[in-house]
Amino acid sequence: NAGVTQTPKFQVLKTGQSMTLQCAQDMNHNSMYWYRQDPGMGLRLIYYSASEGTTDKGEVPNGYNVSRLNKREFSLRLESAAPSQTSVYFCASSPRGGIQYFGAGTRLSVL
Amino acid sequence: AQSVTQLDSHVSVSEGTPVLLRCNYSSSYSPSLFWYVQHPNKGLQLLLKYTSAATLVKGINGFEAEFKKSETSFHLTKPSAHMSDAAEYFCVVGDNAGNMLTFGGGTRLMVKP
Repeated sequence: NAGVTQTPKFQVLKTGQSMTLQCAQDMNHNSMYWYRQDPGMGLRLIYYSASEGTTDKGEVPNGYNVSRLNKREFSLRLESAAPSQTSVYFCASSPRGGIQYFGAGTRLSVL
Repeated sequence: AQSVTQLDSHVSVSEGTPVLLRCNYSSSYSPSLFWYVQHPNKGLQLLLKYTSAATLVKGINGFEAEFKKSETSFHLTKPSAHMSDAAEYFCVVGDNAGNMLTFGGGTRLMVKP
């Protein structure tokens, strides 16, 4: 019953450092998503992958890159972290659009 | 284009009293509408989804929502609040393909004993 698994759960970075957030789902879903959650703003879509081999920008893609490694895994990379990227990051998956299933989130602080 | 407005950022009720969380949406097409719940330090869990089969949608844990096209609203209700309902609730509208979800700002529900 793992569902969507995100690693790490917490991370502290210094400005300019890079890191990759990992996401894996075991539900054989086609589509995967990365969101960020900031206070009072709900979740905002960063990037999504409608199917293996494709990725598309969402509402707030600047400063991020993604890789759909295979059907199970979808990673989010910050090449040069900035304090404005301090947020909680959520990964989600869905069979083909529609209902999305979310991971537990990664809390990232950039100092 | 689509957008969602949750009319209350905080709602406080007493245990055993009704809950009403208000949501208005705008969409250029026939929308997909969802309510998600987020308990503290947890991911989001789907409460219910509007599929156009019925205007009154029943979800988990006794919640339901009514789709009113004329009012562009999708309010969430529960007849009797429980302490375990304390959480943040998000109203969400989806595009035709279901990939672009737009979230409202959230409503934090507090339940007093």
